[in-house]
Amino acid sequence: GENVEQHPSTLSVQEGDSAVIKCTYSDSASNYFPWYKQELGKGPQLIIDIRSNVGEKKDQRIAVTLNKTAKHFSLHITETQPEDSAVYFCAASIPTSGTYKYIFGTGTRLKVLA
Amino acid sequence: ETGVTQTPRHLVMGMTNKKSLKCEQHLGHNAMYWYKQSAKKPLELMFVYSLEERVENNSVPSRFSPECPNSSHLFLHLHTLQPEDSALYLCASSQGAPGSGSGNTIYFGEGSWLTVV
Repeated sequence: GENVEQHPSTLSVQEGDSAVIKCTYSDSASNYFPWYKQELGKGPQLIIDIRSNVGEKKDQRIAVTLNKTAKHFSLHITETQPEDSAVYFCAASIPTSGTYKYIFGTGTRLKVLA
Repeated sequence: ETGVTQTPRHLVMGMTNKKSLKCEQHLGHNAMYWYKQSAKKPLELMFVYSLEERVENNSVPSRFSPECPNSSHLFLHLHTLQPEDSALYLCASSQGAPGSGSGNTIYFGEGSWLTVV
């Protein structure tokens, strides 16, 4: 069935180091991949996204890479700061029966240690 | 401020109670969604409304009843819930209606924490 696997489930890094979160999707028809950040007590907020016709996208300290052949995409955060601590979710947009839906990963809890 | 406002933020209800969750979006979007977020599980899509018409109902028990009176407002009516229904309920909206093209970014509200006792 359709699913998105996300790893790791938890990640601790020292402030200033880089963090990488990886997701693998199953449906080759997936064509849009957003990443959301959810801080404690808040709803998920979009931080970056990538479409299937692009291999990499960068926005300041965050970047996303997409490997369509391997069906995986990754979030990269450089120069991590304590305020980057949150739960991060990946998602894949899947067209289905004339509509589309998002399949979400199970989330990665990132802790940035000062 | 995400442009999607949910009330109440916290709700405790007994299994025989009737309550409602409210969502309002100020983004001029045409589609609205209810998601359920439970610990250690992926976000679960419950309902999708496009231009006030329900276009998806993901086998959600009838004790959850959605209502979309207009494109800016969405309700989730709750009746005779079970303790396992305790979760964070997230409302979201997107510009385009499902099927109008991929990549219609979903914007979430802050969520309503529901505890069923």
